[in-house]
Amino acid sequence: KAGVTQTPRYLIKTRGQQVTLSCSPISGHRSVSWYQQTPGQGLQFLFEYFSETQRNKGNFPGRFSGRQFSNSRSEMNVSTLELGDSALYLCASSPGTQKKETQYFGPGTRLLVL
Amino acid sequence: DAKTTQPNSMESNEEEPVHLPCNHSTISGTDYIHWYRQLPSQGPEYVIHGLTSNVNNRMASLAIAEDRKSSTLILHRATLRDAAVYYCILRPTDTGRRALTFGSGTRLQVQP
Repeated sequence: KAGVTQTPRYLIKTRGQQVTLSCSPISGHRSVSWYQQTPGQGLQFLFEYFSETQRNKGNFPGRFSGRQFSNSRSEMNVSTLELGDSALYLCASSPGTQKKETQYFGPGTRLLVL
Repeated sequence: DAKTTQPNSMESNEEEPVHLPCNHSTISGTDYIHWYRQLPSQGPEYVIHGLTSNVNNRMASLAIAEDRKSSTLILHRATLRDAAVYYCILRPTDTGRRALTFGSGTRLQVQP
């Protein structure tokens, strides 16, 4: 099976712009979670989507949003970018049916905000 | 969520066993213990998980204390490829929360 893919891999934006990141989960997985990784805060959970519905949400401002399509692919959007949004954005997929199940991570999208 | 405590860094020599400790004194009876690792420039990858009994897989072994307040990830023969940050994570199963809560992890360096 193909792994989790994320596009683009690298992105440079300027403050005030918006950005959309994409994640394609492993075939058959219905849950997609997004995480932000920065040197200062480490890996932090953004949100989880399951069957096109947001099921869990982390503690991030409303500028961070996401959605999931019927084929389980997910997008994450950040509006009005700030310098502090520079980070590695990771998505992870899982079947979505058990709370203890393994999450499979993609390689991440590295976002630099200038 | 229950918290985990890990050493910031550890060093090992290639082909020697490595024992990575994790303390989780506030673990609840329904929390699973998961380990993930993150190789340089990659996303985290699953290593192993367990509830009460020791577990083995092709990557590692997980030894869980009888009172479940600590656990140890064991790499039987470290290779240079095992140099990574290792995260010990508790996964509750009695709440709606499904996210992985990452701490700062242990950075493992492997010397040739």
